[in-house]
Amino acid sequence: SQQGEEDPQALSIQEGENATMNCSYKTSINNLQWYRQNSGRGLVHLILIRSNEREKHSGRLRVTLDTSKKSSSLLITASRAADTASYFCATDSNDYKLSFGAGTTVTVRA
Amino acid sequence: DAGVIQSPRHEVTEMGQEVTLRCKPISGHDYLFWYRQTMMRGLELLIYFNNNVPIDDSGMPEDRFSAKMPNASFSTLKIQPSEPRDSAVYFCASSPSATVGDTQYFGPGTRLTVL
Repeated sequence: SQQGEEDPQALSIQEGENATMNCSYKTSINNLQWYRQNSGRGLVHLILIRSNEREKHSGRLRVTLDTSKKSSSLLITASRAADTASYFCATDSNDYKLSFGAGTTVTVRA
Repeated sequence: DAGVIQSPRHEVTEMGQEVTLRCKPISGHDYLFWYRQTMMRGLELLIYFNNNVPIDDSGMPEDRFSAKMPNASFSTLKIQPSEPRDSAVYFCASSPSATVGDTQYFGPGTRLTVL
C-alpha cells in the first residue's frame, strides 16, 4: 500500500523556473527519501532526510520535512530540461521496506 | 560498479507460459528487493531478502509468483503460469545497509507483457 502521496500529480514549468512538489504520509517514519525516474528507466535516489532533520540540501535540490504535519517538500531550483522525470517520495516504517507514493510527473519546457 | 543488473529488459510471452526474471545486485549489498510498477497500482514491493534469506513476501500477489536467491549475487522472480494482469515493469533493487529505511539502488527494470 502507498503511504506517501505526492502533490501535484503533474507539473509543467519553463526551464529556469523552480519546481516544488509535496509528499504527505500517514504513519511515523524513520526516514523519508526522494527518488527520480526518467521515462523507461529505474528509480534513482536523490536525497534522504531523517526524522530528526528539518531541511536538507543537495546541489539544486532542497528537501524539507515537517513531522508534525507528516509532510515533506522537494524543491528543484533553476530547472533544466534534464529534470523532466517523475519524482517519488518513499517512507519507511520500522522494517526495511519502503513505501512509495504515486509520484509527481515534472515536465520542463525549453 | 555496474549497478544492479536485470535481465531480460523486455519480455513478451503468452498467457499460461512461465516467466523468469533475473537480477544481479550490487556486490556487497545485503538486501535485495523485488518491486512491480503499474499505472494503476504504482510501485509495489513484492518481496525482499536479507543475506539471501526471504524476509517478507507479503507483497507477492499469489502462489503463481515465487522468488529465490540462491547466492549473494543472483536472484530470480518466477511467474507460473503468467496472466495478462501480470503485465508490468518489474524492478530489482539492492541496499548495502542494515539501517532501517536506507537508500535502495534500482536496476533498469524488466518490462513484461503477457498476451
